[in-house]
Amino acid sequence: AQSVTQLDSQVPVFEEAPVELRCNYSSSVSVYLFWYVQYPNQGLQLLLKYLSGSTLVKGINGFEAEFNKSQTSFHLRKPSVHISDTAEYFCAVSSYNFNKFYFGSGTKLNVKP
Amino acid sequence: GAGVSQSPSNKVTEKGKDVELRCDPISGHTALYWYRQSLGQGLEFLIYFQGNSAPDKSGLPSDRFSAERTGGSVSTLTIQRTQQEDSAVYLCASSLARTSGGSGEQFFGPGTRLTVL
Repeated sequence: AQSVTQLDSQVPVFEEAPVELRCNYSSSVSVYLFWYVQYPNQGLQLLLKYLSGSTLVKGINGFEAEFNKSQTSFHLRKPSVHISDTAEYFCAVSSYNFNKFYFGSGTKLNVKP
Repeated sequence: GAGVSQSPSNKVTEKGKDVELRCDPISGHTALYWYRQSLGQGLEFLIYFQGNSAPDKSGLPSDRFSAERTGGSVSTLTIQRTQQEDSAVYLCASSLARTSGGSGEQFFGPGTRLTVL
């Protein structure tokens, strides 16, 4: 079975500061990894994904994530956040055929001026 | 083009009543997913359809939950004899199947907020 852990339920940060949102997964097989974002009163949308290749993946809005197989992690980073990045971020893993997805419990990023 | 749509957007029902939630996926997306998002929780995977077929129904919380998809398009999630713990936002997502070149990106609908009194 697969599972996803997002240890930080809330992350407060000041505007223009760097941020890292942590995601760890457990799986006995190879997985694909995703980060989704849910802005206030909006639906979830894909930020970035790792399927194969380079372990550093870049997504929309300046976010990036690094796949670390040995640590089973896929942390999300941004070097300088904006007020508009205030949202809830979800990490997810999927099996090879995309027939099942496991989501973490989410991290609420609150960017303060 | 149009995104994933869900109806109703809000549903308030009394305990013990049946409810039916509808999902209209993006045209051409053969993969369709249902999730439940409870307050303060992540997304709980319920069921996946490839075309009209749901190969794994183990994610459905109980036998009161059922889902079907017809014509490879619209899907309905039915909850019978609703309980208060069924209160949540029910999300639907669609995507291209891997065999059709899909890369796992899911497109989510706005959700149906279900409140069971």
